[in-house]
Formats: sequence, structure tokens, C-alpha cells
Amino acid sequence: QITLKESGPTLVKPTQTLTLTCTFSGFLLSTSGVGVGWIRQPPGKALEWLALIYWNDDKRYSPSLKRRLTVTKDTSKNQVVLTMTNMDPVDTATYYCVHDISGWYYLFDYWGQGTLVSVSS
Amino acid sequence: QSALTQPASVSGSPGQSITISCTGTSSDVGGYNYVSWFQQHPGKAPKLMIHDVSNRPSGVSNRFSGSKSGNTASLTISGLQAEDEADYYCSSYTRSSACVFGTGTKVTVL
Repeated sequence: QITLKESGPTLVKPTQTLTLTCTFSGFLLSTSGVGVGWIRQPPGKALEWLALIYWNDDKRYSPSLKRRLTVTKDTSKNQVVLTMTNMDPVDTATYYCVHDISGWYYLFDYWGQGTLVSVSS
Repeated sequence: QSALTQPASVSGSPGQSITISCTGTSSDVGGYNYVSWFQQHPGKAPKLMIHDVSNRPSGVSNRFSGSKSGNTASLTISGLQAEDEADYYCSSYTRSSACVFGTGTKVTVL
């Protein structure tokens, strides 16, 4: 049974760096074809894809946010970490961690419950 | 990368069929058969309903079906039920090896 859970701060100040951790179970990120990614959703707005890391360390980023994002994995801990620099109030959103089984073309079959991050001074 | 275009809202009566469109370009929807559809109830995480344009994951009702023509993908819900009332999002692989989501559609069961 695959599960994912996001953890991190609920409140960050403008210009700070956000660090979110996805802790997962039920699969190995060392298995061929598997990826773990991040998607966010501002309150009342649409989903937005942020980043993803595959089993072979292939990393993908949203073109519009690429300069601010870094995604890394720790296969020994079953964790994936997302960092986003220079946070702004418009980055207030629920951040979801997702499991990707496609190998390269984004098939998000399992989602975490999401964590709401607010950006405010 | 612009979001894929979906109608803001679609409604139907119980038992009817409705179709939600998802329009992109030849660089995303039109160029690849890698379109997914997600259902999201209020306060919940999205749920995968369709992948690879028309494939249903195990456990998803066969009332949900997907198709694509040119740069537009579609999700059809047949035999509309009260529990289908939710927000729906499409997504697609893009030529720049990224992922793009749709603007979202609110489905109302009258």
C-alpha cells in the first residue's frame, strides 16, 4: 500500500527558503520507472506542477519556477525534499507530494494529503 | 508554459452525461498521448481518474471515459451521480519535458 506524507513549516516569511519533506512507504525510489514529485494549489485555484525526481536521479522542474526550486532524494530514508527559495505571499498554497509510475511522462497515481504553507510577515 | 484551458463549470442532471474539454497545443496535449484527468472533492487531495488519454486505473468507475482529438482532450462522465460533483483537472506532458495542468472545471449535479 503506497502512502506519502508531506511535512514542513506551515508559515514562512517573505524572502525565506521553504523546505518540504515527503516521506513515503509502500515503494522504493530505487525501483526503475518510479518518481516522486511536488504539486501545489493556492487556495481556491488550480493545480500547478512544481518538480519531480525519478529513480535514476533525473530531475524535472517547472520552467517558470526552475530558478527557485531544488529537489533531492534520500533513498535510504524513503524521503524526497523540495526547497523553494525567495518565498512570496503568492506562494501560499497547499503543497502535495505525488508518486509517479510513468518513468518519464508524469502519471500521478498516488497523492499525499497535502500541507498548507502560508507566506506572511 | 500556459495552463491548459478547461471550462470553468459544467452541470448536468442525475443520469445524464457530461463532457469536460481540455485544450492545449501541439506542444502538449496534441503532441503526446499522455493526458491524465483528476477528480478533487473539497478539502481532499486529487484522485487519478484517467491516464494516457483513455485508460482507467483499477477501481475507477467505467462511467468515466477519456478521449482526444487534435489539441483537445475530453473527459466524459456518463450516468451522472451526486458523488461526481467535484472539481476536475487535466494534465499533460509537454515538449519541454515538463507537466502542465488545466485551469480546472467545477462539475455540478443539478
